[in-house]
Amino acid sequence: RKEVEQDPGPFNVPEGATVAFNCTYSNSASQSFFWYRQDCRKEPKLLMSVYSSGNEDGRFTAQLNRASQYISLLIRDSKLSDSATYLCVVKIGGSYIPTFGRGTSLIVHP
Amino acid sequence: NAGVMQNPRHLVRRRGQEARLRCSPMKGHSHVYWYRQLPEEGLKFMVYLQKENIIDESGMPKERFSAEFPKEGPSILRIQQVVRGDSAAYFCASAPGTTNEKLFFGSGTQLSVL
Repeated sequence: RKEVEQDPGPFNVPEGATVAFNCTYSNSASQSFFWYRQDCRKEPKLLMSVYSSGNEDGRFTAQLNRASQYISLLIRDSKLSDSATYLCVVKIGGSYIPTFGRGTSLIVHP
Repeated sequence: NAGVMQNPRHLVRRRGQEARLRCSPMKGHSHVYWYRQLPEEGLKFMVYLQKENIIDESGMPKERFSAEFPKEGPSILRIQQVVRGDSAAYFCASAPGTTNEKLFFGSGTQLSVL
């Protein structure tokens, strides 16, 4: 089983739609969780950290489910500019190394 | 520009040549990570360095690949005797300290091996 797994998609949604992706992780000692965004052929950029109690940043909501070992990202009112690959990142407690999932591709169309 | 600087942006090499990729971390950051991304694949960890020290190179192939982060100057990822399978985007990221909660990435170097 891979350390971090994501559905590669693509998720095709119309503007204004709500879309959610999950990411599962295999190591129960994982302690830090993040969502990064990567546009085609560009560098990944931090979108948001994921906190135990869940957190929201504008149209984006991230949640953590430790019992089932997954994190989720919800995007409301999708914009064309949200089209990108969303990377799930997990860091095990005591480790220096963030592990990246393969990414989920989102395409928002008019 | 206070961001992570990588150069060159594009590098073309013939099989058997050497490739040198450079990364200057953000000002004040002393921790550098190198990741490789193949087409349609995720980022794969290669090596983690602090100034003058390799902390974790578990993701780096044992042969032909080496990395350094000298006291002065950028971090260098060196690939000797490149093969076509080395063609990929190589991203460098920096972080300020040991907690390394967030990584800041450079624009990457696209290596093409002919």
